[in-house]
Amino acid sequence: GIQVEQSPPDLILQEGANSTLRCNFSDSVNNLQWFHQNPWGQLINLFYIPSGTKQNGRLSATTVATERYSLLYISSSQTTDSGVYFCAVIDSNYQLIWGAGTKLIIKP
Amino acid sequence: GAGVSQTPSNKVTEKGKYVELRCDPISGHTALYWYRQSLGQGPEFLIYFQGTGAADDSGLPNDRFFAVRPEGSVSTLKIQRTERGDSAVYLCASSARLAVAYNEQFFGPGTRLTVL
Repeated sequence: GIQVEQSPPDLILQEGANSTLRCNFSDSVNNLQWFHQNPWGQLINLFYIPSGTKQNGRLSATTVATERYSLLYISSSQTTDSGVYFCAVIDSNYQLIWGAGTKLIIKP
Repeated sequence: GAGVSQTPSNKVTEKGKYVELRCDPISGHTALYWYRQSLGQGPEFLIYFQGTGAADDSGLPNDRFFAVRPEGSVSTLKIQRTERGDSAVYLCASSARLAVAYNEQFFGPGTRLTVL
């Protein structure tokens, strides 16, 4: 089955810093999503991005499907950005296959 | 409502008891999914529905787990003879349709199940 790897596993930054989170996947995909799981456990949809580039405020994402990776950029980090960021892809059985997540801590 | 809702938000039960967890998907979404998340891990697939039928229940860990969606909207996840190892956050998601290329899934807030 498809394997999804995320890096780095942990990231600690000062408020105002920029960061790049990476997601590699082992096979071609038609669907890739980035989620933010906040400290209360809620999974928040960030991007649905099987290919190309999208931006939403301070966040942007790029997926290069032919090279099997996606990047999530966070600029001017805020403490509310803290949490776990997950990348997930849909396999041919319609199941979301999840990476292990990147735990981000933004210090004030 | 605007998003996926789940009730209860927290459930504490004793080992051996029966529990039901409810999920109300986004209105009009035909596909509904159940996942389970343990602390420090990503969600684990349990089952998904297309309409009223369970299209894939391969993620259910054993026959103590069962889910229904009788009218193609609300779904109930049922766990019999609960065990301490069932303690986790149970997440529900829905998507507008099942097609692989158009399957953005939206998640509810989850039900935190604790089995004592």
